[in-house]
Amino acid sequence: LAKTTQPISMDSYEGQEVNITCSHNNIATNDYITWYQQFPSQGPRFIIQGYKTKVTNEVASLFIPADRKSSTLSLPRVSLSDTAVYYCLVPSGNTDKLIFGTGTRLQVFP
Amino acid sequence: DSGVTQTPKHLITATGQRVTLRCSPRSGDLSVYWYQQSLDQGLQFLIQYYNGEERAKGNILERFSAQQFPDLHSELNLSSLELGDSALYFCASSDRDRVGGNTIYFGEGSWLTVV
Repeated sequence: LAKTTQPISMDSYEGQEVNITCSHNNIATNDYITWYQQFPSQGPRFIIQGYKTKVTNEVASLFIPADRKSSTLSLPRVSLSDTAVYYCLVPSGNTDKLIFGTGTRLQVFP
Repeated sequence: DSGVTQTPKHLITATGQRVTLRCSPRSGDLSVYWYQQSLDQGLQFLIQYYNGEERAKGNILERFSAQQFPDLHSELNLSSLELGDSALYFCASSDRDRVGGNTIYFGEGSWLTVV
């Protein structure tokens, strides 16, 4: 099973870059890595998805090393509104179980 | 707006009762996933359906059941409710039976309070 491991929490200040790393040692060959953002009492929201190397969109970048056993979500110049829980998601082995890890609670301070 | 619709948004019921939560996936999506999230807890995978058939099962209690209908909407049935079943229940959908390179989209959840 492609269990994911992330830091439980992180603190940052407005304007800083935040990097959240997720380890997924047992990722399968065909699996993508997806990151979600969740605010309290809301459904998780898709941020970014990647397979290898680097992916960038308007809100974040995702870095994936060659061995794909980890990935790093990079949030440039965070603001207070980026305070949320961030999950990386990798499918569990050859099943369709989409099991989320504990997530990383990011707190951004003014 | 993710395009995934869940009803009801809020529900309060007594212990021992039975409730049904409903999910309408995004247009064209064949897969539906159900998750449970208790207060300040993570997302617990319950079950997944693809085009009407059960595809994967997580730690879903025997008191809980789900189904996906021909029109692709899904229902999660929770019976013999206990206080510990109070949680936010999320539905998500995707257009494939395995994530691979696509994305699942979440609804806003159904708040269940058991008193």
